Amino acid sequence: GEDVEQSLFLSVREGDSSVINCTYTDSSSTYLYWYKQEPGAGLQLLTYIFSNMDMKQDQRLTVLLNKKDKHLSLRIADTQTGDSAIYFCAEVTSGTYKYIFGTGTRLKVLA
Amino acid sequence: SAVISQKPSRDICQRGTSLTIQCQVDSQVTMMFWYRQQPGQSLTLIATANQGSEATYESGFVIDKFPISRPNLTFSTLTVSNMSPEDSSIYLCSVAAGSNQPQHFGDGTRLSIL
Repeated sequence: GEDVEQSLFLSVREGDSSVINCTYTDSSSTYLYWYKQEPGAGLQLLTYIFSNMDMKQDQRLTVLLNKKDKHLSLRIADTQTGDSAIYFCAEVTSGTYKYIFGTGTRLKVLA
Repeated sequence: SAVISQKPSRDICQRGTSLTIQCQVDSQVTMMFWYRQQPGQSLTLIATANQGSEATYESGFVIDKFPISRPNLTFSTLTVSNMSPEDSSIYLCSVAAGSNQPQHFGDGTRLSIL
């Protein structure tokens, strides 16, 4: 089956960088996404990367994709308390439109 | 991106009753989806809402329990029928402009069944 794994928790100090990791199993994934879920809210699309890319940078966010290892990461530079949330990665496999979501990583930013 | 409104935002219901959740988008979208997020869990796709035809359900979800309507390209409803405490979850609507476009989510409906 398709499993997308993430670490459950990450704690960082304000101003440090955060790195959230995601491991997926379907090598035919076309797009990979990062979403943020704050308490009481839905999912906010942060960024995404196409499978033929290795890296994508968007302001404080950097996405790295290692297709060989089926590993995706999200780096948040200069992490702020407002970044505290749950972060989900999601993959879409070739020929489908269905997302497979990761287990979610709860990021806590300490002041 | 599209503005997605979901109603109600939360509700507390008695077991055995049904609740209909609405999802309204401010622009026409090709694809609309309904997800369930159980407490502390990730998202599970319930079904794809198809405009003008029956929804496409995922394994483990059936139309009798989760009837879905999609009368046009901007609106869909999900009904949770004959509710039990196990149905206590967040139900989320998402939309995409096309099959290769990112999905955008509503704020969800937080449902508790007593």
